[in-house]
Amino acid sequence: EVQLVESGGGLVQPGGSLRLSCSASGFAFSDYAMHWVRQAPAKGLEYISAINSDATTTYYADSVKGRFTISRDNSKNTLYLQMSSLRAEDTAVYYCVKIYDRGFDSWGQGTLLTVSS
Amino acid sequence: DVVMTQSPLSLPVALGQPASISCRSSQSLVYSDGNTYLDWFQQRPGQSPRRLIYKVSNRDSGVPDRFSGSGSGTDFTLKISRVEAEDVGVYYCMQGTHWPLITFGQGTRLEIK
Repeated sequence: EVQLVESGGGLVQPGGSLRLSCSASGFAFSDYAMHWVRQAPAKGLEYISAINSDATTTYYADSVKGRFTISRDNSKNTLYLQMSSLRAEDTAVYYCVKIYDRGFDSWGQGTLLTVSS
Repeated sequence: DVVMTQSPLSLPVALGQPASISCRSSQSLVYSDGNTYLDWFQQRPGQSPRRLIYKVSNRDSGVPDRFSGSGSGTDFTLKISRVEAEDVGVYYCMQGTHWPLITFGQGTRLEIK
């Protein structure tokens, strides 16, 4: 069974930094591209970042480009999202998502980031 | 980016009645391999999204057969043949055709009338 477990969320002041992690199990992590999707309180889903299976290609939405960095450690089956220069509008639940055949087939339970002073 | 537009945004439905959600894309979702990468997700209150339908009309494992997807090109529909109480939540369409520029619809909130 595919499991994706996010961690690292919390309360951060504006301008601060934080790193999210996603521990993957139940599938060959190194064979799949992975993604981060976020959801602000009572809002819809926003796709923010992607990384291919061998970490040679990354993608960022304009809303996070230059501030967030996606990475992965295939030896640890873990996906990361390093976030800096955080803003109030980054407050959201962050989901780690596995993609297969251009579809998001598995989602983690999410981790909440709150950016507030 | 491809814009995904869902309607209605709010959908009150009586138990046992059918429901239908429309999703329209600003560009064709037919990929060069001939497939159309349009998924539907359900997000129940307090839960993560769960995929119901992939590539327009394929149900994921464990999804009740009262859920069905259809459409082509730029117009797609999710139908629930008979709404049950457990179907309450928000439904999203998503296009993967233009990966990595994946986009979601705004979401449709289904509630019991």
